[in-house]
Amino acid sequence: NAGVMQNPRHLVRRRGQEARLRCSPMKGHSHVYWYRQLPEEGLKFMVYLQKENIIDESGMPKERFSAEFPKEGPSILRIQQVVRGDSAAYFCASSPPGRAGNTIYFGEGSWLTVV
Amino acid sequence: ELKVEQNPLFLSMQEGKNYTIYCNYSTTSDRLYWYRQDPGKSLESLFVLLSNGAVKQEGRLMASLDTKARLSTLHITAAVHDLSATYFCAVDMDYQLIWGAGTKLIIKP
Repeated sequence: NAGVMQNPRHLVRRRGQEARLRCSPMKGHSHVYWYRQLPEEGLKFMVYLQKENIIDESGMPKERFSAEFPKEGPSILRIQQVVRGDSAAYFCASSPPGRAGNTIYFGEGSWLTVV
Repeated sequence: ELKVEQNPLFLSMQEGKNYTIYCNYSTTSDRLYWYRQDPGKSLESLFVLLSNGAVKQEGRLMASLDTKARLSTLHITAAVHDLSATYFCAVDMDYQLIWGAGTKLIIKP
């Protein structure tokens, strides 16, 4: 059973470009979460999605950031017109339905560097 | 707003010593996680603590949870160099994890 798969693992973008980060949840998991980790800090919640639905995006910056989890395919975190402050590690996690008692599983992370 | 505070944020210790990392949180929760992260790497799940009084041990690490005091501890026994890493606690608020800032642990031979 493959774990949570994220790609790319490392991404370099110039200021103003777009970054797309992908996350395939574990098999059987329908809940996806994105977290951001700035250097030397803990993770910060960004968004919680279920298939075709955004459940909570309270941690997403109001502009330039969007997330989706389509019926088919991976979840995508999209950052438009990147700035240096977007440089961070972005972690995806997934969990099965029926959250109680279940551990969430994290992917390996995607490290974004904006130059 | 839930706040999670870890202390110390930085810890340098000698091999063979014992030490404890503390994780305090400000709102009721009955589920807490401990993770390890090596530099530039992903998160390794260490413990999931699901109830008041829960205690779990794995090797030289032992974690406990006191939900009434809103406190979790991660105790390191007879530290070895391989345990050098950053350790995070995270408190479960329904579906969202609220993370501490991390404790960077350096264990010197």
